[in-house]
Amino acid sequence: ELKVEQNPLFLSMQEGKNYTIYCNYSTTSDRLYWYRQDPGKSLESLFVLLSNGAVKQEGRLMASLDTKARLSTLHITAAVHDLSATYFCAVDASNDMRFGAGTRLTVKP
Amino acid sequence: GAGVSQSPRYKVAKRGQDVALRCDPISGHVSLFWYQQALGQGPEFLTYFQNEAQLDKSGLPSDRFFAERPEGSVSTLKIQRTQQEDSAVYLCASSLVITSRPDQPQHFGDGTRLSIL
Repeated sequence: ELKVEQNPLFLSMQEGKNYTIYCNYSTTSDRLYWYRQDPGKSLESLFVLLSNGAVKQEGRLMASLDTKARLSTLHITAAVHDLSATYFCAVDASNDMRFGAGTRLTVKP
Repeated sequence: GAGVSQSPRYKVAKRGQDVALRCDPISGHVSLFWYQQALGQGPEFLTYFQNEAQLDKSGLPSDRFFAERPEGSVSTLKIQRTQQEDSAVYLCASSLVITSRPDQPQHFGDGTRLSIL
């Protein structure tokens, strides 16, 4: 059974600091996704990673994928308050989608 | 253009009642997914359609849950004889299927918040 584990589950950061969220998964995957969810809102797609060594960046967020280690990371650079949200990774194995439990990020001034 | 639309946004039902939740995917999106999201948790996969074909229903928690997409566009998730543990947000997502572009994300609707009393 495909399992997806994220850590940390809760993250409190100071503005301007860097941090990394980790996503481990248990079986071979076709795709790995990162989503953002604000309270009471739906999920917003951030990145789709397909292949080993894939790296994508958008603003202060950078995602990478190591398929051999079955690990993806979401790196936050110089955090700002607007990044406060819950971040989910999700793994797609032949359209069987599994989400991690989410990382609730709070960025403090 | 319009995103994924779900209705109703909120639904309150008494235990034992049947409910029906609707999803209008983005026009032209072949794939459609239903998820259940409990408070403070990640979405849990329920079922997947490609056009009108339900290719995977392994996530449906019981035979009280039924989903259909008869014409390959709008989908309905029906829950019969609702129970309190069915209370959750039900999310619908759709995506394109482009062989040459496998990096298509799923686009999520705002969800239906179901409360069973």
